[in-house]
Amino acid sequence: ELKVEQNPLFLSMQEGKNYTIYCNYSTTSDRLYWYRQDPGKSLESLFVLLSNGAVKQEGRLMASLDTKARLSTLHITAAVHDLSATYFCAVLLIQGAQKLVFGQGTRLTINP
Amino acid sequence: NAGVTQTPKFQVLKTGQSMTLQCAQDMNHNSMYWYRQDPGMGLRLIYYSASEGTTDKGEVPNGYNVSRLNKREFSLRLESAAPSQTSVYFCASRDRGYANSYEQYFGPGTRLTVT
Repeated sequence: ELKVEQNPLFLSMQEGKNYTIYCNYSTTSDRLYWYRQDPGKSLESLFVLLSNGAVKQEGRLMASLDTKARLSTLHITAAVHDLSATYFCAVLLIQGAQKLVFGQGTRLTINP
Repeated sequence: NAGVTQTPKFQVLKTGQSMTLQCAQDMNHNSMYWYRQDPGMGLRLIYYSASEGTTDKGEVPNGYNVSRLNKREFSLRLESAAPSQTSVYFCASRDRGYANSYEQYFGPGTRLTVT
């Protein structure tokens, strides 16, 4: 059974600081997704990581994937208030119908 | 393109009532999914349809039924609603996508309260 764990689950930080969210998963996969969710809204796709060593960057966010360690990171550089949201990682279960398994989410609050 | 649409956006039911949540996608995707999201948790898969004419149980199927009406539409039915089914329900669809990404696209959600 594929398990996906994120940490931390809650993160409160100041504007201008850097931080990293970690996503660990328990079985082999080479497809990992990061989503952002604002309160009361749906999931917005941030990054799709398709292979070992993949790194993608968009603005102040950078995501990476290490399939050997079964670990993905989402790094926030010089945080701004607009990045406050809940961030989810999800891993593709490659057997069968290619289902997504989600982490619990990291609620990020960035204070001015 | 509207992407993935869901109706209704909000619903309040009494225990024992039934209802159907509707989902449609206009991206010509083969696979469609129903998830529920409870506070403090990620999304959990209820049912999915890998292609038109097929449906399978996900992680939390009890109390739900689904119908893949055609390639565009995938509905979720609660036959006898229970307070434990109070949740936000998301529909998603996908195809192979760019570079076999299998990326899923999500609808806006239905917020269901069962009293």
